[in-house]
Amino acid sequence: ETGVTQSPTHLIKTRGQQVTLRCSSQSGHNTVSWYQQALGQGPQFIFQYYREEENGRGNFPPRFSGLQFPNYSSELNVNALELDDSALYLCASSLAGLYTEAFFGQGTRLTVV
Amino acid sequence: DQQVKQNSPSLSVQEGRISILNCDYTNSMFDYFLWYKKYPAEGPTFLISISSIKDKNEDGRFTVFLNKSAKHLSLHIVPSQPGDSAVYFCAASANFGNEKLTFGTGTRLTIIP
Repeated sequence: ETGVTQSPTHLIKTRGQQVTLRCSSQSGHNTVSWYQQALGQGPQFIFQYYREEENGRGNFPPRFSGLQFPNYSSELNVNALELDDSALYLCASSLAGLYTEAFFGQGTRLTVV
Repeated sequence: DQQVKQNSPSLSVQEGRISILNCDYTNSMFDYFLWYKKYPAEGPTFLISISSIKDKNEDGRFTVFLNKSAKHLSLHIVPSQPGDSAVYFCAASANFGNEKLTFGTGTRLTIIP
């Protein structure tokens, strides 16, 4: 049990719509990262938040945005959904620092039709 | 540009024997490497990590070896057990931390009873 929870577990949206995915960090962790995992691929880094500030971003367009709240929970927002956004979205929480590992939630399966 | 490569999509090993999963990387800035295991409908679970200042790290049945000059690492599982059947991801980062993990595409390990 990692303590990282994501909601919802599954979601179906229509192309052009907007979606918000949520993540509760493991207790004591101050850093949250979001990853997109397409079918048959490894997770791809979207961005990371540390103490409510974005702390690094991968190769994703600005329609992918996020928030981290004072309790270190986080949201991932995707605007103008495209069919290729269909994927498993993973949230990972961790402590900032050296030699630390990230703990993942179970993911949200997003299907865009 | 795949900076972390797992060239074997699948591997089958007899129960009790050694499983060896391989991973290659191209980015010389990577200095921290992690292995994750993923079961269907679950998020990745951290297994073991190694920093570039070491060439070996052990944790119970799991050992990770790092060959910096070859930019290659491997995960050894011995003895292999049926519960080890899962998809294994190799991940790498810079700055000895968990920021912006770059994942391979995974290797599906099947342990044959």
